Amino acid sequence: ETGVTQTPRHLVMGMTNKKSLKCEQHLGHNAMYWYKQSAKKPLELMFVYSLEERVENNSVPSRFSPECPNSSHLFLHLHTLQPEDSALYLCASSQDRGDRGYTFGSGTRLTVV
Amino acid sequence: ILNVEQSPQSLHVQEGDSTNFTCSFPSSNFYALHWYRWETAKSPEALFVMTLNGDEKKKGRISATLNTKEGYSYLYIKGSQPEDSATYLCASSSYNTDKLIFGTGTRLQVFP
Repeated sequence: ETGVTQTPRHLVMGMTNKKSLKCEQHLGHNAMYWYKQSAKKPLELMFVYSLEERVENNSVPSRFSPECPNSSHLFLHLHTLQPEDSALYLCASSQDRGDRGYTFGSGTRLTVV
Repeated sequence: ILNVEQSPQSLHVQEGDSTNFTCSFPSSNFYALHWYRWETAKSPEALFVMTLNGDEKKKGRISATLNTKEGYSYLYIKGSQPEDSATYLCASSSYNTDKLIFGTGTRLQVFP
């Protein structure tokens, strides 16, 4: 375990479903991130939260909605997704800008059917 | 260079061989260069974070160098072992953004 926990590990959802991905860290970090990993593509930054405020929204469609209720928890709410949204979603945390590196969770493998 | 590029995409080596991979990144407004090791079904694990031109870091048999002026970093593995098999990711960030931009990784397989 890295200290960043993601649930669920796997998720299959229909295009009309609403689901949420959860990320939790108790490392005392003050920044949290959502990344998307699609096949044969680099990790793609989706959202950055610093001190519970969203500081980066990397042109992500509105069907993905992040929420950071406190510095230890980060959610990604999913609504009316498309099959091309199927991917591995990774959460990470860091202290400030991550000068000691990011700590990643194991990811949620999402399949949209 | 606008993106982070890694080469080769994949590499197969024999146990005991030494190997190295390359990461190219945008050199303007450079802030930091990260290397991660990502084993299948696990989380990416931070290896090094480097910021200074000419910096060299070492962790056991793995070492990395950084050239911020020309925008490249090398990762070296000495005497590869099967447990070194993983995807090695590099990522860079700049002063004017909180974004850490990743390359596609180099997938290393070490055969016994």
